[in-house]
Amino acid sequence: TQLLEQSPQFLSIQEGENLTVYCNSSSVFSSLQWYRQEPGEGPVLLVTVVTGGEVKKLKRLTFQFGDARKDSSLHITAAQPGDTGLYLCAGAGGGSNYKLTFGKGTLLTVNP
Amino acid sequence: SQTIHQWPATLVQPVGSPLSLECTVEGTSNPNLYWYRQAAGRGLQLLFYSVGIGQISSEVPQNLSASRPQDRQFILSSKKLLLSDSGFYLCAWSVGGYGNTIYFGEGSWLTVV
Repeated sequence: TQLLEQSPQFLSIQEGENLTVYCNSSSVFSSLQWYRQEPGEGPVLLVTVVTGGEVKKLKRLTFQFGDARKDSSLHITAAQPGDTGLYLCAGAGGGSNYKLTFGKGTLLTVNP
Repeated sequence: SQTIHQWPATLVQPVGSPLSLECTVEGTSNPNLYWYRQAAGRGLQLLFYSVGIGQISSEVPQNLSASRPQDRQFILSSKKLLLSDSGFYLCAWSVGGYGNTIYFGEGSWLTVV
Protein backbone atom coordinates (compact mmCIF):
# COMPACT_ATOMS: atom_id res chain seq x y z
CA THR A 1 0.00 0.00 0.00
CA GLN A 2 1.35 3.39 -0.96
CA LEU A 3 1.28 6.05 1.73
CA LEU A 4 1.81 9.79 1.60
CA GLU A 5 2.74 11.57 4.80
CA GLN A 6 2.08 15.27 4.99
CA SER A 7 3.65 17.59 7.51
CA PRO A 8 2.86 19.58 9.45
CA GLN A 9 -0.73 18.53 10.01
CA PHE A 10 -1.68 21.98 11.28
CA LEU A 11 -0.03 25.34 10.68
CA SER A 12 -1.12 28.73 11.97
CA ILE A 13 0.88 31.76 10.87
CA GLN A 14 0.60 35.51 10.55
CA GLU A 15 -0.02 37.30 7.29
CA GLY A 16 3.23 38.00 5.46
CA GLU A 17 5.12 35.00 6.76
CA ASN A 18 6.60 32.28 4.57
CA LEU A 19 5.86 28.60 5.01
CA THR A 20 6.66 25.20 3.58
CA VAL A 21 4.58 22.03 3.75
CA TYR A 22 5.92 18.61 2.92
CA CYS A 23 4.62 15.46 1.32
CA ASN A 24 6.76 12.35 1.74
CA SER A 25 6.57 8.72 0.77
CA SER A 26 8.74 5.63 0.50
CA SER A 27 7.06 4.88 -2.84
CA VAL A 28 7.83 6.30 -6.26
CA PHE A 29 5.03 8.15 -8.02
CA SER A 30 4.64 8.84 -11.72
CA SER A 31 3.13 12.20 -10.87
CA LEU A 32 2.05 14.19 -7.88
CA GLN A 33 -0.73 16.70 -7.49
CA TRP A 34 -1.39 19.43 -4.96
CA TYR A 35 -4.92 20.46 -4.11
CA ARG A 36 -6.39 23.18 -1.94
CA GLN A 37 -9.73 22.71 -0.25
CA GLU A 38 -11.94 25.21 1.54
CA PRO A 39 -14.52 24.08 4.13
CA GLY A 40 -17.60 22.50 2.58
CA GLU A 41 -16.17 22.45 -0.92
CA GLY A 42 -14.38 19.95 -3.10
CA PRO A 43 -10.59 20.10 -3.48
CA VAL A 44 -9.32 22.29 -6.31
CA LEU A 45 -6.24 21.31 -8.25
CA LEU A 46 -3.29 23.69 -7.87
CA VAL A 47 -0.56 21.91 -9.81
CA THR A 48 0.62 18.59 -11.21
CA VAL A 49 4.32 17.71 -11.24
CA VAL A 50 5.56 14.78 -13.29
CA THR A 51 9.33 15.05 -13.64
CA GLY A 52 11.83 14.36 -10.85
CA GLY A 53 13.36 17.64 -9.69
CA GLU A 54 10.65 19.69 -11.36
CA VAL A 55 9.82 23.09 -9.90
CA LYS A 56 6.61 24.91 -10.72
CA LYS A 57 5.54 28.35 -9.62
CA LEU A 58 2.01 29.62 -9.28
CA LYS A 59 2.19 33.27 -8.18
CA ARG A 60 3.40 33.08 -4.55
CA LEU A 61 3.31 29.28 -4.47
CA THR A 62 6.32 27.18 -5.42
CA PHE A 63 6.00 23.42 -5.86
CA GLN A 64 8.90 21.00 -6.10
CA PHE A 65 8.94 17.32 -6.96
CA GLY A 66 11.83 15.37 -5.46
CA ASP A 67 14.54 13.99 -7.70
CA ALA A 68 13.50 10.42 -6.84
CA ARG A 69 9.80 11.26 -7.27
CA LYS A 70 9.05 10.14 -3.72
CA ASP A 71 8.40 13.51 -2.14
CA SER A 72 7.23 17.03 -2.81
CA SER A 73 7.07 20.39 -1.12
CA LEU A 74 4.88 23.45 -1.34
CA HIS A 75 6.34 26.80 -0.36
CA ILE A 76 4.18 29.88 0.08
CA THR A 77 5.79 33.31 0.15
CA ALA A 78 4.19 36.19 2.03
CA ALA A 79 1.11 34.22 3.02
CA GLN A 80 -2.27 35.95 2.92
CA PRO A 81 -5.53 35.15 4.73
CA GLY A 82 -6.91 33.96 1.39
CA ASP A 83 -4.35 31.14 1.45
CA THR A 84 -6.17 29.58 4.40
CA GLY A 85 -7.36 26.07 3.66
CA LEU A 86 -6.54 22.39 3.62
CA TYR A 87 -3.65 21.51 1.33
CA LEU A 88 -3.65 17.95 0.04
CA CYS A 89 -1.01 16.14 -1.92
CA ALA A 90 -1.86 13.11 -4.01
CA GLY A 91 0.32 10.70 -5.93
CA ALA A 92 -0.38 8.61 -9.00
CA GLY A 93 1.46 5.46 -9.92
CA GLY A 94 2.38 2.13 -8.41
CA GLY A 95 0.79 0.10 -11.17
CA SER A 96 -2.50 1.96 -11.39
CA ASN A 97 -3.05 5.15 -13.32
CA TYR A 98 -6.69 5.29 -12.29
CA LYS A 99 -6.25 5.92 -8.61
CA LEU A 100 -4.55 8.57 -6.55
CA THR A 101 -3.12 8.11 -3.10
CA PHE A 102 -3.95 11.11 -0.93
CA GLY A 103 -2.13 12.45 2.08
CA LYS A 104 -4.16 13.52 5.11
CA GLY A 105 -3.53 17.17 4.42
CA THR A 106 -2.05 20.23 6.05
CA LEU A 107 -4.58 22.62 7.53
CA LEU A 108 -3.21 26.13 7.08
CA THR A 109 -4.58 29.18 8.86
CA VAL A 110 -3.22 32.60 7.94
CA ASN A 111 -4.18 35.23 10.48
CA PRO A 112 -4.55 38.87 9.43
CA SER B 1 -14.90 22.90 -20.83
CA GLN B 2 -15.57 20.04 -18.50
CA THR B 3 -17.87 20.35 -15.51
CA ILE B 4 -18.88 18.01 -12.72
CA HIS B 5 -22.00 18.32 -10.64
CA GLN B 6 -23.19 16.26 -7.71
CA TRP B 7 -26.36 16.40 -5.66
CA PRO B 8 -27.86 16.80 -3.22
CA ALA B 9 -25.42 19.17 -1.52
CA THR B 10 -26.71 18.41 1.95
CA LEU B 11 -28.96 15.76 3.39
CA VAL B 12 -29.98 14.43 6.76
CA GLN B 13 -31.17 10.85 6.80
CA PRO B 14 -32.35 8.55 9.59
CA VAL B 15 -30.51 5.33 10.37
CA GLY B 16 -31.81 2.50 8.23
CA SER B 17 -33.04 4.70 5.41
CA PRO B 18 -31.77 4.41 1.83
CA LEU B 19 -29.31 6.75 0.15
CA SER B 20 -28.76 7.94 -3.39
CA LEU B 21 -26.13 10.50 -4.34
CA GLU B 22 -25.80 11.38 -8.00
CA CYS B 23 -22.95 12.79 -10.02
CA THR B 24 -22.74 13.82 -13.65
CA VAL B 25 -19.84 15.00 -15.78
CA GLU B 26 -20.16 17.13 -18.88
CA GLY B 27 -17.72 17.99 -21.62
CA THR B 28 -15.75 14.76 -21.75
CA SER B 29 -16.22 11.19 -22.88
CA ASN B 30 -15.39 7.92 -21.13
CA PRO B 31 -14.04 9.52 -17.97
CA ASN B 32 -12.81 7.59 -14.97
CA LEU B 33 -15.25 8.30 -12.15
CA TYR B 34 -14.68 8.18 -8.41
CA TRP B 35 -16.48 8.42 -5.10
CA TYR B 36 -14.45 9.58 -2.12
CA ARG B 37 -15.40 10.12 1.50
CA GLN B 38 -13.73 12.69 3.66
CA ALA B 39 -13.98 12.58 7.45
CA ALA B 40 -13.51 15.60 9.68
CA GLY B 41 -12.20 17.75 6.82
CA ARG B 42 -9.03 15.75 6.44
CA GLY B 43 -7.79 12.96 4.16
CA LEU B 44 -9.76 11.44 1.35
CA GLN B 45 -10.75 7.79 1.33
CA LEU B 46 -11.43 6.26 -2.06
CA LEU B 47 -14.67 4.28 -1.94
CA PHE B 48 -15.32 3.31 -5.57
CA TYR B 49 -13.95 3.99 -8.99
CA SER B 50 -15.16 3.18 -12.46
CA VAL B 51 -13.32 3.10 -15.78
CA GLY B 52 -16.42 2.46 -17.89
CA ILE B 53 -20.17 1.84 -17.94
CA GLY B 54 -21.10 -0.96 -15.59
CA GLN B 55 -17.51 -1.35 -14.36
CA ILE B 56 -17.21 -0.66 -10.64
CA SER B 57 -14.24 -1.33 -8.37
CA SER B 58 -14.74 -1.21 -4.63
CA GLU B 59 -11.84 -0.13 -2.50
CA VAL B 60 -13.24 -0.56 0.98
CA PRO B 61 -15.82 -3.06 2.28
CA GLN B 62 -18.75 -1.07 3.52
CA ASN B 63 -22.44 -0.45 3.59
CA LEU B 64 -22.39 1.42 0.28
CA SER B 65 -22.58 0.52 -3.39
CA ALA B 66 -21.98 2.38 -6.64
CA SER B 67 -23.39 2.16 -10.13
CA ARG B 68 -22.59 3.71 -13.49
CA PRO B 69 -25.69 3.43 -15.67
CA GLN B 70 -24.40 5.91 -18.26
CA ASP B 71 -20.97 7.03 -19.42
CA ARG B 72 -20.99 10.26 -17.45
CA GLN B 73 -23.23 9.34 -14.53
CA PHE B 74 -22.08 7.85 -11.26
CA ILE B 75 -24.40 6.99 -8.38
CA LEU B 76 -23.59 6.17 -4.76
CA SER B 77 -26.22 4.19 -2.92
CA SER B 78 -27.07 2.45 0.28
CA LYS B 79 -30.05 0.29 1.18
CA LYS B 80 -29.79 0.98 4.91
CA LEU B 81 -27.67 3.80 6.27
CA LEU B 82 -25.57 3.48 9.40
CA LEU B 83 -24.47 6.28 11.72
CA SER B 84 -20.91 5.67 10.57
CA ASP B 85 -21.89 6.56 6.99
CA SER B 86 -22.02 10.25 7.95
CA GLY B 87 -19.43 12.35 6.19
CA PHE B 88 -18.55 14.52 3.23
CA TYR B 89 -18.83 12.63 -0.05
CA LEU B 90 -16.99 13.76 -3.13
CA CYS B 91 -17.48 12.68 -6.71
CA ALA B 92 -14.55 13.13 -9.06
CA TRP B 93 -13.45 12.43 -12.62
CA SER B 94 -10.27 12.00 -14.59
CA VAL B 95 -9.15 10.86 -17.99
CA GLY B 96 -6.95 7.82 -17.98
CA GLY B 97 -3.25 7.85 -18.67
CA TYR B 98 -0.08 9.40 -17.44
CA GLY B 99 -0.54 12.13 -14.86
CA ASN B 100 -4.09 11.26 -13.95
CA THR B 101 -5.21 14.60 -12.54
CA ILE B 102 -8.52 14.27 -10.71
CA TYR B 103 -11.20 16.97 -10.69
CA PHE B 104 -13.70 17.08 -7.88
CA GLY B 105 -17.34 17.99 -7.54
CA GLU B 106 -18.70 20.32 -4.92
CA GLY B 107 -19.31 17.58 -2.36
CA SER B 108 -22.35 16.28 -0.48
CA TRP B 109 -22.72 16.49 3.26
CA LEU B 110 -24.49 13.44 4.67
CA THR B 111 -25.61 13.32 8.29
CA VAL B 112 -27.16 10.09 9.50
CA VAL B 113 -29.23 10.58 12.64
